[in-house]
Amino acid sequence: EAQVTQNPRYLITVTGKKLTVTCSQNMNHEYMSWYRQDPGLGLRQIYYSMNVEVTDKGDVPEGYKVSRKEKRNFPLILESPSPNQTSLYFCASSMAGQYYGYTFGSGTRLTVV
Amino acid sequence: AQTVTQSQPEMSVQEAETVTLSCTYDTSESDYYLFWYKQPPSRQMILVIRQEAYKQQNATENRFSVNFQKAAKSFSLKISDSQLGDAAMYFCAYRGNTGNQFYFGTGTSLTVIP
Repeated sequence: EAQVTQNPRYLITVTGKKLTVTCSQNMNHEYMSWYRQDPGLGLRQIYYSMNVEVTDKGDVPEGYKVSRKEKRNFPLILESPSPNQTSLYFCASSMAGQYYGYTFGSGTRLTVV
Repeated sequence: AQTVTQSQPEMSVQEAETVTLSCTYDTSESDYYLFWYKQPPSRQMILVIRQEAYKQQNATENRFSVNFQKAAKSFSLKISDSQLGDAAMYFCAYRGNTGNQFYFGTGTSLTVIP
């Protein structure tokens, strides 16, 4: 089944403890992105990648890191999480070309206490 | 950066009736795509419908259709014969000709009343 798999689905952590949210897609998509969803703010892009080793900042990159060493994987790293990073996170992937919508993962609910 | 505006945070509709969700956007590009996504309580993001800016004909997918007004930069979603399963958050999205940047609106929460 074609899908974007992100883990974990839920995560509670403490301030300052490094964490990684994994994302993997099996559709050979070139583009991958990370979004955070907050009430009243919609989805905001954190980072995106157009291909292996090509990444760029989105609208809210502060406090996050990404890497794209393989085409299928695009992990999101929070080096020192803070409570304002409590949010619902989505990984998404897409074929090249603006016709294609993104395929989303099932989301990660992160709580930083 | 492009902006996408959904001015209706919440909407409600009676089952079997029709509802229209509004979306406006701001861009200087001439070639782009617009999308509507549905997010039910399961929080999965589901693509509902897409519209290419160069096509004058409004897109239709079963009970879902759009009213695309390019000059007005408006892209509304009409849901006909509303069903209980249509209850969800709906997001309007813009994808420009750079291909990689998706811009989302803030969402409209739709309630379907039995």
